[in-house]
Amino acid sequence: EVQLLESGGGLEQPGGSLRLSCAASGFTLSDYFMSWVRQAPGKGLEWVSVISPSGDGTYYADSVKGRFTISRDTSRNTLYLQMNSLRAEDTALYYCTKGKMVPDSWGQGTLVTVSS
Amino acid sequence: DVVMTQTPLSSPVTLGQPASISCRSSQSLVHSDGNTYLSWLQQRPGQPPRLLIYKISNRFSGVPDRFSGSGAGTDFTLKISRVEAEDVGVYYCMQTTQFPYTFGQGTKLEI
Repeated sequence: EVQLLESGGGLEQPGGSLRLSCAASGFTLSDYFMSWVRQAPGKGLEWVSVISPSGDGTYYADSVKGRFTISRDTSRNTLYLQMNSLRAEDTALYYCTKGKMVPDSWGQGTLVTVSS
Repeated sequence: DVVMTQTPLSSPVTLGQPASISCRSSQSLVHSDGNTYLSWLQQRPGQPPRLLIYKISNRFSGVPDRFSGSGAGTDFTLKISRVEAEDVGVYYCMQTTQFPYTFGQGTKLEI
């Protein structure tokens, strides 16, 4: 059974950093494209970033480009999102998802709050 | 970026009756490989999104057959043949044909 478990969220001040993790089980991370999608409180879904199975292909939404970095550790079967220079508008529930063209599995999400 | 526009944004429905949600994209979603990567997601209250339909009309594993998708090019529709209480939530269309992936605003289905 495919499972995705996000962690690492919390309260951070503007300008600060956080690293989100997504532990995958039931499949091999390096066989699939993996994405991060976020949802601000009471709002809709916003795609953030994707990483290719090989790890050498990444793409970012303009809203996070230059501040966020997606990566993965194949030995731990874990996806990461390094978030730097955080802004209030980054406050959201962050989900990791499996699949490139078909986002077939979603984690429960981890909440990031950026506030002073 | 591809803009996805859903209508209606809110849909009061009656149990046992059909429901329909439309999604229009600002550009064709036909990929260079010939497929159209338009998905429908369901988000029940307090839950993460769940994939219902992919590539316009393919039901994902475990999705009841009362859900169906149709459309082509830039116009797509999700239909529920007979709404059940568990169908309450927000429905999103999503395109994964080109980066950045984009979502519709969401349609809230209310009984």
